[in-house]
Amino acid sequence: DTGVSQNPRHKITKRGQNVTFRCDPISEHNRLYWYRQTLGQGPEFLTYFQNEAQLEKSRLLSDRFSAERPKGSFSTLEIQRTEQGDSAMYLCASSLDGGFSYNEQFFGPGTRLTVL
Amino acid sequence: DQQVKQNSPSLSVQEGRISILNCDYTNSMFDYFLWYKKYPAEGPTFLISISSIKDKNEDGRFTVFLNKSAKHLSLHIVPSQPGDSAVYFCAVNTGNQFYFGTGTSLTVIP
Repeated sequence: DTGVSQNPRHKITKRGQNVTFRCDPISEHNRLYWYRQTLGQGPEFLTYFQNEAQLEKSRLLSDRFSAERPKGSFSTLEIQRTEQGDSAMYLCASSLDGGFSYNEQFFGPGTRLTVL
Repeated sequence: DQQVKQNSPSLSVQEGRISILNCDYTNSMFDYFLWYKKYPAEGPTFLISISSIKDKNEDGRFTVFLNKSAKHLSLHIVPSQPGDSAVYFCAVNTGNQFYFGTGTSLTVIP
């Protein structure tokens, strides 16, 4: 399977704990995106990487959130001191820069976070 | 501030008929528009896109129409099939920013 993978698929944590999610993009894709989706809403953009450089961050990404993409391959999204409002589906997507299809993002299955 | 709006949360259509999903956006500077389909427990899957320099793009049973003056986007599915039952999101892109609508749940009745 050469699609985007995300781990874990589900995470239940207690308020105040730190959590980390991992995303493995399609191998040749140089762009990687993180989104958050809550019930009844569409995906909300959080941040974007071009290779290892984080080029864009949404105002939704508070200082409790940090994302990395070392070596321009997989990415991690960490949430510190989780709050109940952080409960959501966290989606990762990747795309290939260049050409007409550069906007087409391929999404992973998501990590569902529940903060108790 | 919702940049992209899908005002119909759900739509039911008989198999074989046309499904029309609608989307409105606020910013005339948006230059690329996409539709994604999402099944339960899966991430969204790209369906079809259109650049702002065009007003129509067709791919098999799927056609996207863009009305820039009305800031309106629509997706037509003809003929609709039960396997098309899913949540459909429209999305817009400008620069490095992507904005998604809230989705329309399509049910195709056999």
